[in-house]
Amino acid sequence: AQSVTQLDSHVSVSEGTPVLLRCNYSSSYSPSLFWYVQHPNKGLQLLLKYTSAATLVKGINGFEAEFKKSETSFHLTKPSAHMSDAAEYFCVVSEGYGNKLVFGAGTILRVKS
Amino acid sequence: GAGVSQSPSNKVTEKGKDVELRCDPISGHTALYWYRQRLGQGLEFLIYFQGNSAPDKSGLPSDRFSAERTGESVSTLTIQRTQQEDSAVYLCASSLDGTGIYEQYFGPGTRLTVT
Repeated sequence: AQSVTQLDSHVSVSEGTPVLLRCNYSSSYSPSLFWYVQHPNKGLQLLLKYTSAATLVKGINGFEAEFKKSETSFHLTKPSAHMSDAAEYFCVVSEGYGNKLVFGAGTILRVKS
Repeated sequence: GAGVSQSPSNKVTEKGKDVELRCDPISGHTALYWYRQRLGQGLEFLIYFQGNSAPDKSGLPSDRFSAERTGESVSTLTIQRTQQEDSAVYLCASSLDGTGIYEQYFGPGTRLTVT
């Protein structure tokens, strides 16, 4: 079975500094991986997805993630944090037929002014 | 256009009662999913509908949980004889087609509290 592990439950950065949210996955074959964001009192929104094309994936709002098969990682980065980036972020892997999503436990990003 | 909608947004029920949660997917989306999000945890897959095919019920936690979908439209998730551990946010998502890696669009969720 597929699984994802988000290595940090909370990350705190200052506005204007880089963001790194870490994710490792476990998969028996080439996975499809996603990052979703959930702002307070709002629905889940897709940030970006990897489906075996380019290993560096660019998403919305300046976020990007790099698929590294040798490290089984799919870390999310952003060069410069903005206050509006404060939210909970989920690393997600697609499992099998039907594109059922398996979610990590989430990382809460706090951005300090 | 309209996104995925769910009702009610909040539901408080007494232990042992049955509850019914509703999801209206995006028009034209053949795939529909139900997930559960317990406090402080990621989402857990519950059930998946694809067109008129038999649903994938592999994520349902017990036989107290069931779901139906009429064609490619509305879905209802029913929890019978609710227990306190059923308290969670129940999220519905739809996508163009579950046989491909299409984006899943999530509804706002129903927050269920069992007292």
